[in-house]
Amino acid sequence: QSGLTQPPSVSGAPGQRVTISCTGSTSNIGAGYDVHWYQQLPGTVPKLLIYDNSNRPSGVPDRFSGSKSDTSASLAITGLQAEDDADYYCQSYDTSLMGSVFGGGTKLTVL
Amino acid sequence: QVTLKESGPALVKPTQTLTLTCTFSGFSLSTFGMRVNWIRQPPGKALEWLARIDWDDDKFYNTSLKTRLTISKDTSRNQVVLTLTNMDPVDTATYYCARMAPFSSSWSIFFDYWGQGALVTVSS
Repeated sequence: QSGLTQPPSVSGAPGQRVTISCTGSTSNIGAGYDVHWYQQLPGTVPKLLIYDNSNRPSGVPDRFSGSKSDTSASLAITGLQAEDDADYYCQSYDTSLMGSVFGGGTKLTVL
Repeated sequence: QVTLKESGPALVKPTQTLTLTCTFSGFSLSTFGMRVNWIRQPPGKALEWLARIDWDDDKFYNTSLKTRLTISKDTSRNQVVLTLTNMDPVDTATYYCARMAPFSSSWSIFFDYWGQGALVTVSS
């Protein structure tokens, strides 16, 4: 399979820490391609949150962090805030598809 | 300042061909390293990459839709056009154009600027 797998949903209380996993394969993450994360608030355009596994674009709070290992990656959010309630997508490149691939998305609910 | 904006019909009938235009500013698709992509998102569902066109006119397509997709560019007008033939209700989605971040390594392929999206509904 050439896609990326994410849990459909995660939740946490304000102030807590949550992680979202992104599992790939040897044709994408495991092949050495970087993983990137996007945040999509309800009714809005996806916004780049993390690029190149662990880098934050200007303006993204350091509460958001990313990591990559072997064929998977993770997004961690610390100090959860109500405004973090959104969908999160991981993305990489797949050599067998010769194109970009997205995860199925994870809905984060801040309780 | 980089901006992208999608335009096209909001409603198409089954079997028709969809033509969407992405008009961008703040960069030139004739510049080395520039690439523009199309990505779609059915209502309530995940993002799906569709196609990409590069500064040198190289083109890449989602393998599952390759026979139905065509991407092209008009560098003088700063536009990228996507056509999707034989539209079906399952093609109902918001269609985004997005710039691939330039000047990154060949292992780093991501989208730094997105258009606002164009909702296309397929219905008779």
